[in-house]
Amino acid sequence: QSALTQPASVSGSPGQSITISCTGTSSDVGNYNLVSWYQQHPGKAPKVMIYEGSKRPSGVSDRFSGSKSGNTASLTISGLQAEDEADYYCCSYAGSSTFVFGTGTKVTVL
Amino acid sequence: EVQLVESGGTLVQPGGSLRLSCAASGFTFSSYWMHWVRQGPGKGLEWVSRIKSDGSYTAYADSVKGRLTISRDNAKNTLYLQMNSLRGEDTAVYYCARAGSSSWYHLDYWGQGALVTVSS
Repeated sequence: QSALTQPASVSGSPGQSITISCTGTSSDVGNYNLVSWYQQHPGKAPKVMIYEGSKRPSGVSDRFSGSKSGNTASLTISGLQAEDEADYYCCSYAGSSTFVFGTGTKVTVL
Repeated sequence: EVQLVESGGTLVQPGGSLRLSCAASGFTFSSYWMHWVRQGPGKGLEWVSRIKSDGSYTAYADSVKGRLTISRDNAKNTLYLQMNSLRGEDTAVYYCARAGSSSWYHLDYWGQGALVTVSS
């Protein structure tokens, strides 16, 4: 159950697009289309932004999109806004009813 | 409105025990899988455990297996986490979270968290 690997930080200017990667193994990300993404602002509880790889919950902006290729999942934020500045975590089902989170990525809006 | 409210977080000595509770409201608690997720100070999220809607099945992260026990009381709409043989590395904010209604493999509602500090 090793944490999924994410870049420590990603930055972009308002209006730009950024992509956060989430690399796992053939036992988790690569074996299931069950990656979810969470946004966490300082001192707050996480909020789901994407589930099952690319599905958006009701109320989440369509500027957020998810994809997967092999053992790597990705979250793309288009039209970056100041309110998108937060920590982002991926999470994958890992089999045997267990889950594993990513190491987390701090998104900075320049 | 879905609400999850954790309680029971406190300072505890290494080797000690503690029970966290999570009171659920605004949804049919007995129909949902529930999870515990923790976050150490300045650290990332770590999945801890999950329990089936009727309490008949549980799963744990290797780091807590044998020391932490998840349970639920559907009559009281409450989720629990019994924590034994606590270590310094268990210091964290513990969140309870509900599994998604359309998919059991994501967490759609989270509580505000309960802080557990393990220190002498």
